[in-house]
Amino acid sequence: NAGVTQTPKFQVLKTGQSMTLQCAQDMNHEYMSWYRQDPGMGLRLIHYSVGAGITDQGEVPNGYNVSRSTTEDFPLRLLSAAPSQTSVYFCASSPTLGANVLTFGAGSRLTVL
Amino acid sequence: LAKTTQPISMDSYEGQEVNITCSHNNIATNDYITWYQQFPSQGPRFIIQGYKTKVTNEVASLFIPADRKSSTLSLPRVSLSDTAVYYCLVGFSGSARQLTFGSGTQLTVLP
Repeated sequence: NAGVTQTPKFQVLKTGQSMTLQCAQDMNHEYMSWYRQDPGMGLRLIHYSVGAGITDQGEVPNGYNVSRSTTEDFPLRLLSAAPSQTSVYFCASSPTLGANVLTFGAGSRLTVL
Repeated sequence: LAKTTQPISMDSYEGQEVNITCSHNNIATNDYITWYQQFPSQGPRFIIQGYKTKVTNEVASLFIPADRKSSTLSLPRVSLSDTAVYYCLVGFSGSARQLTFGSGTQLTVLP
């Protein structure tokens, strides 16, 4: 089992560019989420989804879009990258919303110049 | 929000027992308490989960008092490889928007 797979692992963008961070899970989990982690801080929830076609905002959603067209995939889009979005991004999933055990991906390190 | 508060850092020596306490005064009736471990350049990894009293697995114990306003992660006989950041997470009974992590506790195990 691959678990939660994130791509790319590293990315450098210029201010104003757009890109998509990919997240895929092969565990048939209903719940998927995106976090960002900045130095000295914990993980902050960006967006989450409780199933295909259902998404909602987390703690820090501004500047990010998500969609959930399939159970397996939950991409995170940056429409116009800003230096403040330089961070490490983690995708996580769990079987259901009520199951509090999250499986995390390895992370994607994004630098915006 | 079930906000959590943990010590920023702790030091210990190999072979000692380490206890990390998390405060969560606003915990809701249906909330579970979950602890995660994170090594540098990796995603957090599940350690243990509990609702009340004591839970034990092969790597840790979790102690939760009757009022559930705090919890203590206990790591027996730590080794250098236990050096990591430990996060306490409370929630999921309400909106998933509440599923936020605190800043975590950096545990450093010294030889």
